[in-house]
Amino acid sequence: QVQLQESGPGLVKPSETLSLTCTVSGGSISGYYWSWIRQPPGKGLEWIGDIYDSGYSKYNPSLKSRVTMSVDTSRSQFSLKMTSVTAADTAVYYCARYKWHSGGFDPWGQGTLVTVSA
Amino acid sequence: DIQMTQSPSSLSASVGDRVTITCQASQDIRNYLSWYQHKPGKAPKLLIHDASILEVGVPSRFSGSGSGTDFTFTISALQPEDIATYYCQQYTDLHTFGQGTKLEIK
Repeated sequence: QVQLQESGPGLVKPSETLSLTCTVSGGSISGYYWSWIRQPPGKGLEWIGDIYDSGYSKYNPSLKSRVTMSVDTSRSQFSLKMTSVTAADTAVYYCARYKWHSGGFDPWGQGTLVTVSA
Repeated sequence: DIQMTQSPSSLSASVGDRVTITCQASQDIRNYLSWYQHKPGKAPKLLIHDASILEVGVPSRFSGSGSGTDFTFTISALQPEDIATYYCQQYTDLHTFGQGTKLEIK
């Protein structure tokens, strides 16, 4: 079955750029939207953005000015870059597959904690 | 932007109880709503899509209903392993999650 794994630095300095990659295994990256979702400590889930295998992307309006997603179908990977981070961006970051034909995010990666601190 | 208002924010119930969580959308989202179960340290798990369709392998004690702006998620008989935080999520216009309902055993 499809599995997702996040990777990237666990610590980012304020004002710098957060970069994460999600590797998809056990299935094709084609034909689906691929998403990033985060959960700040003690808070709920927040959708960050989706990207299709063609590179078409959609972002949360509240984060759009700072977020860029990209996809590398040859490596079965998609990535997130978030610029000018602050402590408010400290969160567990999940990658997930969005099932556009039926709705819902499934499966999800295990999540990776990114802390923004000097 | 579509806002999702989920209630209650926390809930304490006994094993075997019927548990109900509601989710209200700020505008008509038809039936484009999913429900998730999230346990600490684990990835969220998709339980229901299109408001009422159970994912494969999800126990039948879980159910969902509603359309338009008002939705309900029900556990017919609470089990100890159901302790988690539950989220609704709309996908008619981008994606928005509800604030979550933390379910505890009484």
